[in-house]
Parts: sequence; C-alpha cells; structure tokens
Amino acid sequence: GAVVSQHPSWVICKSGTSVKIECRSLDFQATTMFWYRQFPKQSLMLMATSNEGSKATYEQGVEKDKFLINHASLTLSTLTVTSAHPEDSSFYICSARDLTDNNQPQHFGDGTRLSIL
Amino acid sequence: GQQVMQIPQYQHVQEGEDFTTYCNSSTTLSNIQWYKQRPGGHPVFLIQLVKSGEVKKQKRLTFQFGEAKKNSSLHITATQTTDVGTYFCAGPKSGYSTLTFGKGTMLLVSP
Repeated sequence: GAVVSQHPSWVICKSGTSVKIECRSLDFQATTMFWYRQFPKQSLMLMATSNEGSKATYEQGVEKDKFLINHASLTLSTLTVTSAHPEDSSFYICSARDLTDNNQPQHFGDGTRLSIL
Repeated sequence: GQQVMQIPQYQHVQEGEDFTTYCNSSTTLSNIQWYKQRPGGHPVFLIQLVKSGEVKKQKRLTFQFGEAKKNSSLHITATQTTDVGTYFCAGPKSGYSTLTFGKGTMLLVSP
C-alpha cells in the first residue's frame, strides 16, 4: 500500500534554531500533502495544505512566515519551523493521498517530535 | 465551518468488555474514515465508509455510517489490551481534499 516517509523522527534543539522536516510519498505521486500539528492528548490540527509547484494554503492562525512549506516535487514536501521557540514544541505529522484514486485514504508519516529547549 | 464531534473523549474498560465511540458531523459527509493512533505513534487508517447506512466489520471491530451520512460509530467487541489507543473519525472538508478530524476517543484497556 501507499507509504509516506517522514524525517526526522525526533529533533531536540536550542531556541532560535530553524528545523526542517521532510515528508515523502514513496510509491505514489502526491500533488497535495498535508501538515498537521498535535499536542499531547489532543486531536490533529491541520496547519497547511502543501501544493506541488505552488504556494501552500495555510489554516487560519498559522503563521506562514514561521512555518515555511516547500513542495518542490511530486513526492516531497518540507516544513521548516523557523527560529523555533519552546512553544513550537509539538508532534508534527504529514500526510498524503493519492488523488488519482478517490477511494484512497490519507496515509500518514511517522511524525516528528520537536522539542525546543 | 464544518465540525466533527466525537464522544466520549476517554474510556477505560476491563479486558473483555465492549467499547463504542460515536462521531457526529455538522454537515453531510461524502464518506467517513476511521483512524487509530497508538500511544507515541501516528494515525493509521482503519476503514472508510461511503454509503448511507453502511456497516463494515473487521474482526472484532464494527463500523457504521448513519442513514443521513452525518454520524458514525465504531464498536469493539471483547476488547483486548492491543486495542489501546486513540480512535479518530474524520470526514472530508467540504470542497477540499483534506480531512476534518474529530477530537478522538482515547481507549485504555486494563488486563
């Protein structure tokens, strides 16, 4: 089945550091990928929709200059948390769906646990 | 905007007891999907329901989609410790390719 790979799994870094997270669709092309954020014991909150070859669509309240998204190819989207601070610590998960088949569900990456000291 | 509500938020059962989580959408859904997230893991797709009144079974799990396509339920018969996790329902966001997730039901099963 469709697989989405996300890297890295864990990041621990100092405040002010920028962190890049990669999301790859391994066996299908994904013109659209999704980035979610999840706080402990809470649901998945959509941050933005990443569109191949065009600008990402951000959800209300998500700072586009803070969370930079690049979707340069049909299999790769990246999320960069710029100048990260402790409040950015969270579990970030990407997902993708093979849009050529409406019966396909969303497939999630393993997620990235980001801890900012 | 579209809202997907899920109850209960949390349930603790003894192994062997049954469990049910309910999902309600503020809008009619073209389909509803269920995901399971184990502690420390990522959501894993369980099933998708498309037809009004549809019922699907996966071993001890029974999924239902309401006649009005606005509500759904997941029932687990005779829970096992391996059922522990958070169960999310999700519906397509109207006009978009993304999903709106419910807040999830966290299931804890004691041996």
